[in-house]
Amino acid sequence: DQQVKQNSPSLSVQEGRISILNCDYTNSMFDYFLWYKKYPAEGPTFLISISSIKDKNEDGRFTVFLNKSAKHLSLHIVPSQPGDSAVYFCAASWNTGNQFYFGTGTSLTVIP
Amino acid sequence: DAGITQSPRHKVTETGTPVTLRCHQTENHRYMYWYRQDPGHGLRLIHYSYGVKDTDKGEVSDGYSVSRSKTEDFLLTLESATSSQTSVYFCAIRPQGSDTQYFGPGTRLTVL
Repeated sequence: DQQVKQNSPSLSVQEGRISILNCDYTNSMFDYFLWYKKYPAEGPTFLISISSIKDKNEDGRFTVFLNKSAKHLSLHIVPSQPGDSAVYFCAASWNTGNQFYFGTGTSLTVIP
Repeated sequence: DAGITQSPRHKVTETGTPVTLRCHQTENHRYMYWYRQDPGHGLRLIHYSYGVKDTDKGEVSDGYSVSRSKTEDFLLTLESATSSQTSVYFCAIRPQGSDTQYFGPGTRLTVL
C-alpha cells in the first residue's frame, strides 16, 4: 500500500502564477519530508525539505508547507517559470532515514 | 553534483540472463541506495547499504541482490532477469548526518 500519495498526476499553470503541488501520507511516524524535481532522462534533484517540527520552509521561489494533523504537505512555486516544467516527487522518511518512501509524482507544465 | 555515476546508462537484455548495474561515488559516503522507477509507482527502494559489506533489503528486493566490497561502489545484480524488471534504476547516496538523498543519472534497463 502506498504510504505517500500524490493524487494529481499532472498540473498545468501559466507562467508567473503560483503552482501548488500536493502530497498526502499515511504513516504518522514520518518525521522528514522532501521534494524532488525530475527532468526526463535525468536523476531526481533535491529541491527542498522540511522536518516535522516545522510547518513551513522556504527557499527562494519554493515553499513547503506541512500539516501534520492532516498528514498533508504541499509545495508552492511562486512565480512559476517554464523551466519549472518537470515531474515533482514528494518523499518521506522516519527515524534513521534509511528508508525513504516516494509518491508517484506530479508532472508540472508551466505554460509561457 | 553528488559525484555519482551509473553504468551502463542503457542496457537491453534477454529474459533469464544475469545483469549487473554499477553505482560509483567519489566522495566516500557511507549510505548508498538502489531504487527503481516505474509509471504509477514512483521510486521504490530495492536495497540499501550502510557501509562496506553492510546491506539490507528495501520494499521491492525480490529478484535482486547487491554487493558493496568498496565504499565507492554499490552493485545491483539481477540473477535471472525477467520482463517485470524492465525499469529505470537509480542509485542514491546520503551524506552522513544528512537526511537528504542525492541521486545518480539512472540506468534504463529493458528485459526482452
